[in-house]
Amino acid sequence: KAGVTQTPRYLIKTRGQQVTLSCSPISGHRSVSWYQQTPGQGLQFLFEYFSETQRNKGNFPGRFSGRQFSNSRSEMNVSTLELGDSALYLCASSDTSGSSYEQYFGPGTRLTVT
Amino acid sequence: DQQVKQNSPSLSVQEGRISILNCDYTNSMFDYFLWYKKYPAEGPTFLISISSIKDKNEDGRFTVFLNKSAKHLSLHIVPSQPGDSAVYFCAASRYSGNTPLVFGKGTRLSVIA
Repeated sequence: KAGVTQTPRYLIKTRGQQVTLSCSPISGHRSVSWYQQTPGQGLQFLFEYFSETQRNKGNFPGRFSGRQFSNSRSEMNVSTLELGDSALYLCASSDTSGSSYEQYFGPGTRLTVT
Repeated sequence: DQQVKQNSPSLSVQEGRISILNCDYTNSMFDYFLWYKKYPAEGPTFLISISSIKDKNEDGRFTVFLNKSAKHLSLHIVPSQPGDSAVYFCAASRYSGNTPLVFGKGTRLSVIA
């Protein structure tokens, strides 16, 4: 099976702009989660989508939003970018119908806000 | 409030010796724990997991130990190899519910040849 793919891999934006990141999960996985990784902060949970519905949400401002399509692909959007939004954004998919709860991560999108 | 803590930001070990990475958690509702390994420019990859009904789980060179009373888990790598050099993240969740994984900040392991 193909792994989780994320596009684009690298992105440079200016403060105040908005950005959309894309994630394609492993075939058959219906859950997609998004994380922000910054130096010294580990992986911080943004939100999770399951069957096109947001199931969980982390403690991030409303500028961060997401959605999931019927084919399980997901997008996240960040509006009015701030310098502090510079980070690696990781997407992970999981097969919640099974007995395991492992999440499989994509390579991430490195966002730089200038 | 950090619910999952990895208090050692880095660890250096000689090749062939044992690497022990530690993780503490504060939420007593957590009952499922995972370890991930991350190389630069790649996403984290799942390594090994353990549920709270066990106190040990092995997979090849990797063993995870869980001490529920101390709310502590550790990952042992024996023998350590240079290819094990990476950042290791501990994560916890409630297996029975659809709750997100909570990650620690990671420990950078360097295995010296």
